[in-house]
Amino acid sequence: EAQVTQNPRYLITVTGKKLTVTCSQNMNHEYMSWYRQDPGLGLRQIYYSMNVEVTDKGDVPEGYKVSRKEKRNFPLILESPSPNQTSLYFCASSSGGKVTDTQYFGPGTRLTVL
Amino acid sequence: SQKIEQNSEALNIQEGKTATLTCNYTNYSPAYLQWYRQDPGRGPVFLLLIRENEKEKRKERLKVTFDTTLKQSLFHITASQPADSATYLCALPYSGGYQKVTFGTGTKLQVIP
Repeated sequence: EAQVTQNPRYLITVTGKKLTVTCSQNMNHEYMSWYRQDPGLGLRQIYYSMNVEVTDKGDVPEGYKVSRKEKRNFPLILESPSPNQTSLYFCASSSGGKVTDTQYFGPGTRLTVL
Repeated sequence: SQKIEQNSEALNIQEGKTATLTCNYTNYSPAYLQWYRQDPGRGPVFLLLIRENEKEKRKERLKVTFDTTLKQSLFHITASQPADSATYLCALPYSGGYQKVTFGTGTKLQVIP
């Protein structure tokens, strides 16, 4: 089944404790992206990647890191999480190298930073 | 900066009626616009893409229009059903490229049986 998977689905952590949210897609998509969703602010793009070893900032990249060493994986790294990073995070992928193509979203990761 | 506006208030309609959702944008001339559906606690699901040279696009009970003069897209669901209840998001690519995208905050639709 074609899908985007994220792990963990739920995470409660404390300020400053490094964490990684994994994202994997099995559709051989070139484009992958991370979003956060907050009430009243909608979905905001954090980082995106057009292919392996190619990443770039979205609207809200501060406090986040990403890497794209393999085509299927696009982990989101929070080196020193803070409470304002409490949010619902979504990973997405699309074929081709542009977001014009249909984006397939993962199930989401609900992160709480205490 | 570019801005997308969707009616933040929930839209309640009777089953069988046509639901119409609005997406307005400013400071931008997008080459295309997308509509997504999002159910509570789940990721958005792509519904339709309409390009700037397409005035209207249909898919089953869904219809999208794109008025680049008014800077507005309308999303219609005909013969609405309770299963259509969800939040609907519009999305536009960033000016200058197809790699970044901006989403609206979405409109919550409730179809009442």
